[in-house]
Amino acid sequence: DAGVTQSPTHLIKTRGQQVTLRCSPKSGHDTVSWYQQALGQGPQFIFQYYEEEERQRGNFPDRFSGHQFPNYSSELNVNALLLGDSALYLCASSLAETGRQETQYFGPGTRLLVL
Amino acid sequence: DAKTTQPPSMDCAEGRAANLPCNHSTISGNEYVYWYRQIHSQGPQYIIHGLKNNETNEMASLIITEDRKSSTLILPHATLRDTAVYYCIVSDLYNQGGKLIFGQGTELSVKP
Repeated sequence: DAGVTQSPTHLIKTRGQQVTLRCSPKSGHDTVSWYQQALGQGPQFIFQYYEEEERQRGNFPDRFSGHQFPNYSSELNVNALLLGDSALYLCASSLAETGRQETQYFGPGTRLLVL
Repeated sequence: DAKTTQPPSMDCAEGRAANLPCNHSTISGNEYVYWYRQIHSQGPQYIIHGLKNNETNEMASLIITEDRKSSTLILPHATLRDTAVYYCIVSDLYNQGGKLIFGQGTELSVKP
């Protein structure tokens, strides 16, 4: 049973560029959440996608956007990169079930370095 | 802000039980206690969660106090591979959407 996968594993960009990160959820899951983890900090919630729509959003600027495809995979896009966007970007998947907690399972992450 | 308080670091001898405490005095009735761990540079790994009853799975046990204001994660026989940062999170993922709020966690070092 494949777990959550993310690509690429590492990425180097320069300030002002745009980046797209990709996530495939665990088999059977339909919901994808994205987190940013700066060095030495806990992960911070960016947003969650369910049924191809943004369901909830954390405190991140509009430069951060996402998309979910019909096969439940997802992309995270970041425009106009800043040095402070350097971080580990984590994708987590879950299954939306009425009345049940949607336990999230994380992928290995994409490490982004902005120079 | 995270709704939990954890010690920043703990040590444990290999083969002994590791008991990781967590305070969550403002937990509300529908919120569950979740535990994740993160081994260096990897994605967080789900361990266990519970509402008010004690829970056990193949990885760990979760003991929640009767007033639900604190909990303890127990790794019964710690190994070197259990060295990681352990996060205690309080959340109602059904009614509050998919937002896990991570704090600083506890850095557990298992020593030979």
